[in-house]
Order: sequence, then C-alpha cells, then structure tokens
Amino acid sequence: GDSVTQMEGPVTLSEEAFLTINCTYTATGYPSLFWYVQYPGEGLQLLLKATKADDKGSNKGFEATYRKETTSFHLEKGSVQVSDSAVYFCALSDPFNDYKLSFGAGTTVTVRA
Amino acid sequence: GAVVSQHPSRVICKSGTSVKIECRSLDFQATTMFWYRQFPKQSLMLMATSNEGSKATYEQGVEKDKFLINHASLTLSTLTVTSAHPEDSSFYICSARIPLLAGYNEQFFGPGTRLTVL
Repeated sequence: GDSVTQMEGPVTLSEEAFLTINCTYTATGYPSLFWYVQYPGEGLQLLLKATKADDKGSNKGFEATYRKETTSFHLEKGSVQVSDSAVYFCALSDPFNDYKLSFGAGTTVTVRA
Repeated sequence: GAVVSQHPSRVICKSGTSVKIECRSLDFQATTMFWYRQFPKQSLMLMATSNEGSKATYEQGVEKDKFLINHASLTLSTLTVTSAHPEDSSFYICSARIPLLAGYNEQFFGPGTRLTVL
C-alpha cells in the first residue's frame, strides 16, 4: 500500500537558518506529491506540489523536487523566518488508490528569532 | 478560488448528544469530499470519502453508524457524530476535491472543527 515517511521532529532553528525536511514514499502507481503546512489551530494549506518525476514545486521560498529514483520529495528553504513555524506534512496522491491522500506523520518546525 | 469552509470551528457538547459539522466548497462544485480526523500532534487519518448523491465510503475501522456522512449537494457535506463520547473529542477536517483533470488531483482543506465532548 501507499505510505509516506518523513523526518521526525520537532525541529528548532534560528531565523535565517537552512531548513530541510526529508520525505520518502512508497506507492503502487505514479503519484502526485505534496507538501502541506498547518499553522496552530488551523486546517491544512497546500504549500507546493509536483505531479511527475523531476518536477520541482516551489512557493514562499520553499522547494521540493520529485525524485523517482530515490522515491523522495525533500522540502528545503534557504532562510527561514519566525513565521515559518508550523507543522509540515508530506503527502502523496496515488491514482491506483482513487487519488486518496496519504500523509506522513508531520514535522513540527519552530523558528526562533 | 477553491475555498472550503467548515462550521462550526469549535463545539463543546455533553456526552450522549449528537453534533453536526458542515463542510462547504464556496466557489467550486465538489463531487467528492473527504473527512479526516486528527489527534493532537499526529497526522490526519482519513475517515471517509463522501460522494454527492451516493453513500459515503468509510475507511476500515471507522464506524459508519457513529459518524454519519451526508453529501446532499455539490457544495455541502455534513458529518454527524452520533451519541458523542469523550473519546470522540478531536480535530475534524474536511477537504473537497476538484474534478479530476487529466489525472491530476488536488484537495482543498477546510479550517477544521475542534470537537470537545464533556
């Protein structure tokens, strides 16, 4: 079945530090890959996505590249801000599973001023 | 575009009562909506898939008589937690899926409903 494994947190960084959150996946078909962000007390917001191998998703300074050979979709940001403090979820949508979303466990990121 | 709302955002109820949560797609028609449950500091667990005009499909281990789902229109799905108990306290999140385009799929999430059962 489909599964997503992402780096366990929590992760604590200083402002302007480099952030990487690792994410690997297992899927039956050729999935689309997503990173969602959840701020305290809120629902999920789509941060970025990639629909096929070698695609790079980017938004708000965050980037992730769909690597089929390593089944990975690592999230990176070169210089984090306090406002980036949130929980980040890696997810996949598999056409062989009716496009249902499978989520990783989530990584809590705290950025200190 | 692609905004999903949920109502209420928070609800506190007594044990044994029923609670209804609404999920609306505000600017698009959603033939499929999903209901998730999230426990503190955990990931989202898919509870059921709601299809307009038909019965919901529940994930393994989710009691369909406990969590009643109705998708009466293309913009509204409701989740009713029947005879709620403290262990049903959780954060419930819905999402709506845009119609599939060339195999591409994206879900848009509501802001969530915090249910507390006393």
